[in-house]
Amino acid sequence: EAGVTQFPSHSVIEKGQTVTLRCDPISGHDNLYWYRRVMGKEIKFLLHFVKESKQDESGMPNNRFLAERTGGTYSTLKVQPAELEDSGVYFCASSHGGGAGYGYTFGSGTRLTVV
Amino acid sequence: GNSVTQMEGPVTLSEEAFLTINCTYTATGYPSLFWYVQYPGEGLQLLLKATKADDKGSNKGFEATYRKETTSFHLEKGSVQVSDSAVYFCALVTWGNNRLAFGKGNQVVVIP
Repeated sequence: EAGVTQFPSHSVIEKGQTVTLRCDPISGHDNLYWYRRVMGKEIKFLLHFVKESKQDESGMPNNRFLAERTGGTYSTLKVQPAELEDSGVYFCASSHGGGAGYGYTFGSGTRLTVV
Repeated sequence: GNSVTQMEGPVTLSEEAFLTINCTYTATGYPSLFWYVQYPGEGLQLLLKATKADDKGSNKGFEATYRKETTSFHLEKGSVQVSDSAVYFCALVTWGNNRLAFGKGNQVVVIP
């Protein structure tokens, strides 16, 4: 089966601009997660979709971040306007079920650099 | 809440050396424990996992044992290869909570 696909793989934007990251989960996986790793720090949870619904968005840092998953397939994460501290690697993961008993498959990540 | 602590700093060692990366955790509830690996230019891959106390996860020569009494899940490999150079992340998730909690990761560099 195809894995989790993220694009772009890299993005360099100026402060104040808008960037949209995309994640295509494994087909049939209802659960989709976004995580972020800021340089040198832990990978932090951002949010969790079950199909098209936001199950948990408590990790979203502020209202400059907007995630969508229309139709329960691919997801986008928009940052508008981008700030310097948004730089990092954004990972997407999907799983068939939710919770500790299921495996999470991660994408390769999008490296975002805000200058 | 849930948190994971990994030893500080990168790890540089010679080929065929013994590797240990320490991982300790705190968890609300009973956690499942994971080691993920990120090879250069690739995504996070599950390396191994353990879902209950005293379980040993193993894969590709790596092992980690779920120690409830010390809240630890240290990663070990007896003889590393250059191809093991990567970033290693310890992580946990508790039942009823879908979010993985990760440690900061350790860059491992194996020199020939």
